[in-house]
Amino acid sequence: GESVGLHLPTLSVQEGDNSIINCAYSNSASDYFIWYKQESGKGPQFIIDIRSNMDKRQGQRVTVLLNKTVKHLSLQIAATQPGDSAVYFCAENRRAGNQFYFGTGTSLTVIP
Amino acid sequence: GAVVSQHPSRVICKSGTSVKIECRSLDFQATTMFWYRQFPKKSLMLMATSNEGSKATYEQGVEKDKFLINHASLTLSTLTVTSAHPEDSSFYICSARGGAGGRETQYFGPGTRLLVL
Repeated sequence: GESVGLHLPTLSVQEGDNSIINCAYSNSASDYFIWYKQESGKGPQFIIDIRSNMDKRQGQRVTVLLNKTVKHLSLQIAATQPGDSAVYFCAENRRAGNQFYFGTGTSLTVIP
Repeated sequence: GAVVSQHPSRVICKSGTSVKIECRSLDFQATTMFWYRQFPKKSLMLMATSNEGSKATYEQGVEKDKFLINHASLTLSTLTVTSAHPEDSSFYICSARGGAGGRETQYFGPGTRLLVL
């Protein structure tokens, strides 16, 4: 399954399928990006990060892709599990000021 | 990984009262702490950046006299919601940066849910 972040804030996938969550960022000066997972009533958890000098980074079951030309990030989750159900946010870091700004978020629901 | 705590985790108060929320870095020194606000089913909105020993920097549209931030030590930042009103009800989350991580490393607290009656 695939989402377009801002336009499709919810995504439902079958357990075992791959998930793709998309995020469009706004500032071309952003040079560092993080994907966070947030479960209901909890603070965000770090999943994976990527710097602007890379276009792909892989972790355990997760891959982040960065397209600076169109200012687009995606998070791919392989073999999605029920425990992956959560809201996923991308965050961009702008070197000047050093703050992180969060995207809209996508709610992922994994259907057993 | 580094641990950030918040206290209280939940608070209910009457309209007009002030509420203080604490954010602590438990096992590292946080040179910078950030305060976010989150409404249900919405994203995190950065409210302010707090550097130890100096005044906080507020994002546009955030009232600094309404949301008082103090970062008196390298392990503690407080957010005080003054004269709280029902529209201030929200989930407040802090994050801390510092320790062995680089500029980008940011650790989040578990959040504080505020309900103003």
